[in-house]
Amino acid sequence: AQSVTQLDSQVPVFEEAPVELRCNYSSSVSVYLFWYVQYPNQGLQLLLKYLSGSTLVKGINGFEAEFNKSQTSFHLRKPSVHISDTAEYFCAVSGKNTGGFKTIFGAGTRLFVKA
Amino acid sequence: DGGITQSPKYLFRKEGQNVTLSCEQNLNHDAMYWYRQDPGQGLRLIYYSQIVNDFQKGDIAEGYSVSREKKESFPLTVTSAQKNPTAFYLCASSTGIAYPYEQYFGPGTRLTVT
Repeated sequence: AQSVTQLDSQVPVFEEAPVELRCNYSSSVSVYLFWYVQYPNQGLQLLLKYLSGSTLVKGINGFEAEFNKSQTSFHLRKPSVHISDTAEYFCAVSGKNTGGFKTIFGAGTRLFVKA
Repeated sequence: DGGITQSPKYLFRKEGQNVTLSCEQNLNHDAMYWYRQDPGQGLRLIYYSQIVNDFQKGDIAEGYSVSREKKESFPLTVTSAQKNPTAFYLCASSTGIAYPYEQYFGPGTRLTVT
């Protein structure tokens, strides 16, 4: 079984400042990690994913995340945010269960970018 | 353009009525999912389907029912047995469940029951 914890429910930040959204996971099997973004009243779309290989993963809109196995973390970062990055961000972990892979989503982190 | 459509975007119902939410995909995906989203709780899995004519309960299936008669379609019925049906409902699909494929989401349906 796996679980995922997003450590901050809301993160306010000024435009052009850096941001880090934190995600920790636990699992008894190998995991695969995702970050999704949800703009108001819309569905989720994939930002980036870690399946294997380099632990630093680059995604769309200038976001990147680093898989840290020893700390069981997959934090999302952006060096300089824009107003348009205001959205809710979900970390997700996928692991092999009986019958196939199951994906668990975190509770979400709401990012507010202020002018 | 390939994608997932959900209709309607907003739905209002009186307590005690069943209501069906539509989900259609043209991505040729085998797997489809229904999630419920409540503020501060993230996404909770209601039902999923790996293939036509097969579906499995998720974590919060009570008060809901689904069908998968066609590959493209996975409608969700919210029955009168669901105690707190007011929520934002998201449909998703993926290539399958034999690998950690990403999920593609529809725009959602906001259901309000009074």
